[in-house]
Order: sequence, then structure tokens, then C-alpha cells
Amino acid sequence: RKEVEQDPGPFNVPEGATVAFNCTYSNSASQSFFWYRQDCRKEPKLLMSVYSSGNEDGRFTAQLNRASQYISLLIRDSKLSDSATYLCVVNIRSNFGNEKLTFGTGTRLTIIP
Amino acid sequence: GAVVSQHPSWVICKSGTSVKIECRSLDFQATTMFWYRQFPKQSLMLMATSNEGSKATYEQGVEKDKFLINHASLTLSTLTVTSAHPEDSSFYICSARDLPSWETQYFGPGTRLLVL
Repeated sequence: RKEVEQDPGPFNVPEGATVAFNCTYSNSASQSFFWYRQDCRKEPKLLMSVYSSGNEDGRFTAQLNRASQYISLLIRDSKLSDSATYLCVVNIRSNFGNEKLTFGTGTRLTIIP
Repeated sequence: GAVVSQHPSWVICKSGTSVKIECRSLDFQATTMFWYRQFPKQSLMLMATSNEGSKATYEQGVEKDKFLINHASLTLSTLTVTSAHPEDSSFYICSARDLPSWETQYFGPGTRLLVL
């Protein structure tokens, strides 16, 4: 099983629609969770952290379900500029005790005018 | 926000040559820098973690003698791909952070390497 698993998409969604992405992670000891966006041929950029209580930033809402090891991202009133690949990112502690971020393969989103 | 630069942004080289990539934190001191690699349509994979003044910690499967990492100062880390081969062609991205928090990790713009 992959450490972080996402539906690769693509999701083609009309402008103004609401879209949701899901992600599952395998390491129950993970403590930090993030959504990043990555534009084509660019570096990833932090979109938002994901907290146990859920968090919202404008049109974006992220939720965490620790029991199911599941993270979600909801985008409301989608804009053309939301077209990107969305990466689910989880911290993993290795057997040697050091932490690292593990990235999902990403979900490709295209907003259609 | 904090800025991390990488140089060069892209490089094309012949098989067997060595390529050095620089990663700089421009407005903060990076106690830790990370080097990632991303192949087309795949996720970012951590190659190594580098703390200033100490040896890098490499991920399983990453050859430390092939991918030389130097983190000699709080603002500069370098990755040298030695004797590059076509299978090393990839998008190499560094990131840097000053505090031990993942939320303060900033990524560089990446370096595209094409080995002919």
C-alpha cells in the first residue's frame, strides 16, 4: 500500500462548481498534514495545513479524519486559476526517528470556462 | 514570504558529466534543507535531508556517492549529480526551513536536468 494515496484524476470541472479531493495515508503515527498545489513544471506551493478540527481558508476547506486516515479538500466556487495538480502531503517518521514529508502523486484539476 | 532560489533552472548535459545544482535561502537562515526529485507524472520523492555543518541523511535507495550534498552555510546547499546518466534526467527541487516546522518549509523553483 502506498504511504499516501490520491485519485490522480483528471477532474474536469466547470467554473463555479464545487469539487472535492480525497487522500488516504497509511502511517497512523503521522501528525502533520497538508495540501499543496503544483502548477505545470513548477515547484509545489503550500495551499493549507490540515488540522484535526478542520480548517477553512476562503473557498478552500480541508478536513482530517484520523480514525479513517483520510484527508479531504473542498474547493467551492471554482475559478479558472484553480487549475493545477493538488498534492496531499503527510509527515512520516522513519524507523531511524527522522521525519520527512511524503507526497501523494497528486490530483489533476482543470476548471473549464 | 521566504524565498528559496535554485540555480541553474535547467541544464542539459552529456552522459558521464557531473552537474552541480545550488539551492539558496535568500532571506532566512536555513538550518535544514531537503532535496527532492520528481519524475514525470510521479510524486516528489525525498532524496536527502541536509543539516548545516553535518553530513546529509540519504533516503533508502539514493546513492550518496552519486548524489553529493554539501550544506556548508546556513544559506547554501549544493547537490552534485556525479557521472550523470539519462536515467538521472528529472526535476530536482530543494526546500529549506529555519524552524523545525513543516509549515515553514519553502521550496525552490526547481532544476530540470536532461542527460543526453
